[in-house]
Amino acid sequence: DARVTQTPRHKVTEMGQEVTMRCQPILGHNTVFWYRQTMMQGLELLAYFRNRAPLDDSGMPKDRFSAEMPDATLATLKIQPSEPRDSAVYFCASGRGTAYNSPLHFGNGTRLTVT
Amino acid sequence: QQQVKQSPQSLIVQKGGIPIINCAYENTAFDYFPWYQQFPGKGPALLIAIRPDVSEKKEGRFTISFNKSAKQFSLHIMDSQPGDSATYFCAAYQDNTDKLIFGTGTRLQVFP
Repeated sequence: DARVTQTPRHKVTEMGQEVTMRCQPILGHNTVFWYRQTMMQGLELLAYFRNRAPLDDSGMPKDRFSAEMPDATLATLKIQPSEPRDSAVYFCASGRGTAYNSPLHFGNGTRLTVT
Repeated sequence: QQQVKQSPQSLIVQKGGIPIINCAYENTAFDYFPWYQQFPGKGPALLIAIRPDVSEKKEGRFTISFNKSAKQFSLHIMDSQPGDSATYFCAAYQDNTDKLIFGTGTRLQVFP
């Protein structure tokens, strides 16, 4: 059963530290999305890639967040420096083509706590 | 700016009841409306979806009603079960942007 794998599942860090979250999309999927989930905002789109190329990162705070896809099997989301307001669950999702053609498959998320 | 507005924030029903979750949107360019279901500790998973050329879609106990003129759509869960207890997200998609925009979610609890 193919699935999106996210690591770590939980991360607790102190304010100012760098945080790196990793995602392994489903093999064969060419779109990768990063979402952030909070109680107040729900699921916010941070960035997404198609065929490893970044298409839109307008949802990300540019000064501290960065997203990359070094290869087709790995997507990363970095926060440097982290702040308490970054505490949330970060989800990676992958799909094949557009949402019409195949649903997004989500990983189980990385729960980030910044103290 | 919330492009997809979802209500209520939480919902409690008894087993067998019919919870209804509502969503509204402004952007008429949206052309695909999925619903995702999320259990605690898991990522959301696609439940059911509709396109604006139909007014209703049913899959098992789950039904989407779509009102294009009002720019509203809703999820109905028939004969709800405790196993349906989860958070439900509506979403909207615009083909030429590739973006799936989610509502804020509704936490549903179904009691036996």
